[in-house]
Amino acid sequence: SQTIHQWPATLVQPVGSPLSLECTVEGTSNPNLYWYRQAAGRGLQLLFYSVGIGQISSEVPQNLSASRPQDRQFILSSKKLLLSDSGFYLCAWSVGAMGVGEQFFGPGTRLTVL
Amino acid sequence: AQSVSQHNHHVILSEAASLELGCNYSYGGTVNLFWYVQYPGQHLQLLLKYFSGDPLVKGIKGFEAEFIKSKFSFNLRKPSVQWSDTAEYFCAVAGGNNRLAFGKGNQVVVIP
Repeated sequence: SQTIHQWPATLVQPVGSPLSLECTVEGTSNPNLYWYRQAAGRGLQLLFYSVGIGQISSEVPQNLSASRPQDRQFILSSKKLLLSDSGFYLCAWSVGAMGVGEQFFGPGTRLTVL
Repeated sequence: AQSVSQHNHHVILSEAASLELGCNYSYGGTVNLFWYVQYPGQHLQLLLKYFSGDPLVKGIKGFEAEFIKSKFSFNLRKPSVQWSDTAEYFCAVAGGNNRLAFGKGNQVVVIP
């Protein structure tokens, strides 16, 4: 069966520090991968998606970047965190045509920037 | 691009009451529709989905949703809620731009 892991579960970082959040998927090949940010009362905002290794698409301009160094690994990064980067970050995967079918979500990372 | 509207962000009701959460979307083409649920401390998970066929879809835990194409709606219902239905519910729509657009969610609290 497929599983998705995210770490760390929680993270507190000072403003201006770098960020690296990791997401890995097991039990499937060539998945579509997604990074979302979830804010209370605002739903899920798609940040990045990837249909293959090294292929990254950004949905909104921001202080973050994403990379996919391996088929089932998706990394969210920042060189210098801002206060506004605080939030709950979710990784998700799907198969088939991008964005059409069911997506499976990870447990999320709660990021607090102080 | 498609967008999704969910109203009444906070819903409080007693056990055994009926629940209906509204979802309206804006997109004129063919859509796939989803309801996701996030129980306290758990992953976001799929509750039910509609791709085609019978517009009345049944999901897990006694939930159902009805797709009404003329109203661009996909409302979620449960005839009799339980305390364990306390959760946040998200409607999502996949349209022609290969994106899954989420509504802002409904925070549902069921009082025992």
